[in-house]
Amino acid sequence: AQKVTQAQTEISVVEKEDVTLDCVYETRDTTYYLFWYKQPPSGELVFLIRRNSFDEQNEISGRYSWNFQKSTSSFNFTITASQVVDSAVYFCALSERTGANSKLTFGKGITLSVRP
Amino acid sequence: EAQVTQNPRYLITVTGKKLTVTCSQNMNHEYMSWYRQDPGLGLRQIYYSMNVEVTDKGDVPEGYKVSRKEKRNFPLILESPSPNQTSLYFCASSLDLYTGELFFGEGSRLTVL
Repeated sequence: AQKVTQAQTEISVVEKEDVTLDCVYETRDTTYYLFWYKQPPSGELVFLIRRNSFDEQNEISGRYSWNFQKSTSSFNFTITASQVVDSAVYFCALSERTGANSKLTFGKGITLSVRP
Repeated sequence: EAQVTQNPRYLITVTGKKLTVTCSQNMNHEYMSWYRQDPGLGLRQIYYSMNVEVTDKGDVPEGYKVSRKEKRNFPLILESPSPNQTSLYFCASSLDLYTGELFFGEGSRLTVL
């Protein structure tokens, strides 16, 4: 069985602070994909990043960075110098093969509030 | 423009009155899925479809039906809605669920009185 745990439910920071959103996953497979999605207050769900299990290089995109560590089964997301527009619910997800099909499991999400 | 379109976006209905939430995608994606989002519970999958005429239950299928007669459409049917189906519903599609991103519709907020 696969599982995605986002232990932090709500985080509140002041603008310009750095913040890390944690994601821990469980899977028996050696090959899988990890994702982060963002849901701003307007409600839509937006894809942020995909990472496969063979690629442990950290990724940076502007103020966003992702730290994938297979040894600790974690795929953490850091926002540097946070801004009010970063306020959103962030979901981590894991995809895994299940026979001929695939399954995508989401964590319960982390609500990030960035105060001016 | 590539998109997933859901309708209606907002609906208030009464217990027992059948309703359908439509979902259409214009990206020729084989995979489509329905999720419901409730506070504290995250996104839970209701049903999914790997291709036309192929559908399967997700984690919370009770009280819902789906059909996939055409590749682009994947309607969600509530035959006899109950108050516990009050939720925010999302339709999503993907070219490849395993490797690819999900494209989500804008969501449909349903209230069952």
